[in-house]
Amino acid sequence: DVVMTQSPLSLPVTLGQPASLSCRSSQSLVYSDGNIYLNWFQQRPGQSPRRLIYQVSKRDSGVPDRFSGSGSGTDFTLKISRVEAEDVGVYYCMQGSHWPPYTFGQGTKLEIK
Amino acid sequence: EVQLLESGGGLVQPGGSLRLSCAVSGLSISDRWMDWVRQTPGKGLEWVGRSKNKANSYTTHYAASVEGRFTISRDDSKNSLYLQMNSLKSEDTAVYYCATDRRGSYDYWGQGTLVTVSS
Repeated sequence: DVVMTQSPLSLPVTLGQPASLSCRSSQSLVYSDGNIYLNWFQQRPGQSPRRLIYQVSKRDSGVPDRFSGSGSGTDFTLKISRVEAEDVGVYYCMQGSHWPPYTFGQGTKLEIK
Repeated sequence: EVQLLESGGGLVQPGGSLRLSCAVSGLSISDRWMDWVRQTPGKGLEWVGRSKNKANSYTTHYAASVEGRFTISRDDSKNSLYLQMNSLKSEDTAVYYCATDRRGSYDYWGQGTLVTVSS
């Protein structure tokens, strides 16, 4: 199975400041069709996961443009340009390039400093 | 608006059985691959299994940890997905989510249902 490793596990951020979350995979996530199926999910307290980003950098409808995804191969980043209070929660990366199974990172807990 | 609503969770003794349901609205599951994913504080998010669509002969796949104990089924006419869980173990305790698969991703998730396996 592909191992997804996220860092940091905890990220205190001041409101209005940027945040950068890292995700690394144990092998390249380039699929045979040339696409990279790397996703980012947000899980707010008490809620189910919600997809923010798919295929590395494509933002879902309704996701604020302060969220952006980047990366290639095995190294990926989710950036929040200016953290807002509603961004508190746990962020997970997930790979869908190698299946079975899809695999998730352990999550980065974002909190307000 | 797409909604996935899981039900059927609860407290069950080790060795017992439970059947989870996932009712989907706002989206036809007939052409979708549907997954069950579970979440525990210790192991995080873990894929449980998959039901492919009719075009793929409704083939199912399971994580090694549940193979032979769990069975996924679906009823496209009811727009619903099911998870039959037998021979439950304490390590199956988790929140169980159904999710719709789309090209290497999950675009929709349910709200989850808690399964607790304990004597």
